[in-house]
Formats: sequence, structure tokens, C-alpha cells
Amino acid sequence: QKEVEQDPGPLSVPEGAIVSLNCTYSNSAFQYFMWYRQYSRKGPELLMYTYSSGNKEDGRFTAQVDKSSKYISLFIRDSQPSDSATYLCAMSARTGTYKYIFGTGTRLKVLA
Amino acid sequence: EPEVTQTPSHQVTQMGQEVILRCVPISNHLYFYWYRQILGQKVEFLVSFYNNEISEKSEIFDDQFSVERPDGSNFTLKIRSTKLEDSAMYFCASRRERHYEQYFGPGTRLTVT
Repeated sequence: QKEVEQDPGPLSVPEGAIVSLNCTYSNSAFQYFMWYRQYSRKGPELLMYTYSSGNKEDGRFTAQVDKSSKYISLFIRDSQPSDSATYLCAMSARTGTYKYIFGTGTRLKVLA
Repeated sequence: EPEVTQTPSHQVTQMGQEVILRCVPISNHLYFYWYRQILGQKVEFLVSFYNNEISEKSEIFDDQFSVERPDGSNFTLKIRSTKLEDSAMYFCASRRERHYEQYFGPGTRLTVT
């Protein structure tokens, strides 16, 4: 079983839709959960980060963590064509070097 | 807003040559990382660095790789004798003490021919 699993997509949605992106993980030691946006051949851009379980909202973005199910989500409200990118989840344990384990990324296309 | 910078943006080298990839982390950050992403694959951890020492390295980070902080601002990744399979995007990242979120640079695309 992979440590972090993420559906690669592509996911195509119309402009204005609510987008739901998800990752599952197997390592119960993960405590920190991050979402990055990556445009083609660019560096990952930090969108959201959360510690342990719960929700966090920032503008059009909401991150959710359900540690009991080992499942994290990123919701994008009122999606725009400029949101078209690959979305990476990443997570780390609380001990050690906080190195990240990434998912494969989900490619999102928002159609105008 | 401060950001991580990396140079060069693209490096082409021949197999067996040495390359040095350079990074300038965010100035008040103390923890530094290198990751790589082979085209079409996920981002993978290579090495973490703190207090002028490697704190953790992955299986990928073998004897051909080394890291250094030669001065107060730069952080470098050296590959001694490049192989075809080293072709990838290499990302530098950094974070502050007592914070877990890492900020990534734009990457260096390494092409080994």
C-alpha cells in the first residue's frame, strides 16, 4: 500500500463549480497536512496547511483532515480557469525532520 | 514577500559530469531540503539539512550526492557524476524553526544527455 494516494485525474469542471480534491494515507504518524498548487514545470506553491484533524478555511479554499479515516480534502469554491493546475497533497510526521511525503498530484482543469 | 530562489532554471549536462544546483532559502529559515520530481512522477524527498549537517537523507541520496551551505545565504546540491536517470526537476525548500510548512523554490530542470 502506498503511503499517500491521490487520484491523478484529470478532473474537469465548469467555471464556478465547487471542486473536491482528496488524498488518503496509511501512516498514522502523519500529523501535518499540506496542499500545494503546481503549474506545469514550476515549483509547488503552498496553499493550505493544517495540523492534526479539523477544518481550515482561507478565502475560496477549505482544507479538511479526518485522521480517523486517514483522509484529507481540499475544497475550492467558485473555481476559476486560473485554478487549473496540479494539486499536490503532502504530509509529515511530528517527529524527525518534517520531511514531506507527497501524493502524485491531481490535475485540475476549470473550463471557462 | 520573501521567496526561495534557485539557479540555474535549466541545466543540461553530459553523463558523468558534475553539476552544482544552487538555492537561496528564505533568510530567516533554518531548515533546508532538496526534493526531486522526475517528469510525470511525484515529488520525492532527497535530503534535509540543519545546523550545517545532514539531518536525514533518502535512499536516492547516495554517495554521488552532497549538500553544502558554503555561506550564510546559499545552499547547494552537488551531483558528482551524473547519470541519465538523474534527469529531473530539483526543488529546494526551507522552513522556519517551530514551523512545519515548507516553502519551495521554482526548481532547476536538470537534463543529462
